[in-house]
Amino acid sequence: GENVEQHPSTLSVQEGDSAVIKCTYSDSASNYFPWYKQELGKGPQLIIDIRSNVGEKKDQRIAVTLNKTAKHFSLHITETQPEDSAVYFCAASYPYGGATNKLIFGTGTLLAVQP
Amino acid sequence: DSGVTQTPKHLITATGQRVTLRCSPRSGDLSVYWYQQSLDQGLQFLIHYYNGEERAKGNILERFSAQQFPDLHSELNLSSLELGDSALYFCASSSPRVAGNTIYFGEGSWLTVV
Repeated sequence: GENVEQHPSTLSVQEGDSAVIKCTYSDSASNYFPWYKQELGKGPQLIIDIRSNVGEKKDQRIAVTLNKTAKHFSLHITETQPEDSAVYFCAASYPYGGATNKLIFGTGTLLAVQP
Repeated sequence: DSGVTQTPKHLITATGQRVTLRCSPRSGDLSVYWYQQSLDQGLQFLIHYYNGEERAKGNILERFSAQQFPDLHSELNLSSLELGDSALYFCASSSPRVAGNTIYFGEGSWLTVV
């Protein structure tokens, strides 16, 4: 079935430390894996994504890794700052017909960066 | 700003009533998605429209319906509202790409049913 598991549900780190959030997906047809950051009262904001033909992607302090064999992908945030505090969602695409798909989301991780 | 516009931002209504949520996708995007976010259910996929046609349905109740108009804006209609329908409703849009879509979310419509 269509399922994305996300861990941990909450994560507290000290400013400057690294944070890692892990997700597992179920459908081997998934080929696109975005990560969203959601701040209180706002919509999910795309922060980084990775496609199935790539194993790792980095954008400044944020990196994402993908292991298609194990159906795992992870978000790594280095040198965390208080403004990184938010809920982070992983998602996996489930294609259906042509080039369109839908995103199935993980349950979210509340990241708290302590100053 | 993602470029996806949703109205209204907040809505309070009574049980049994009907409401319409409106979404304008990003310029040039043909796909519109609706998601429901509640505290205990996370982000749940409701429905997807592409260029006016329904493409996929998720966990959308029969009391709910949606449509996408020729100008590509979309409406989500929620009827016979129940307390449990209180949630954030997000619209998202994308353009189809060969290796998967990049989907951008609006700021959401917060529905409270009392």
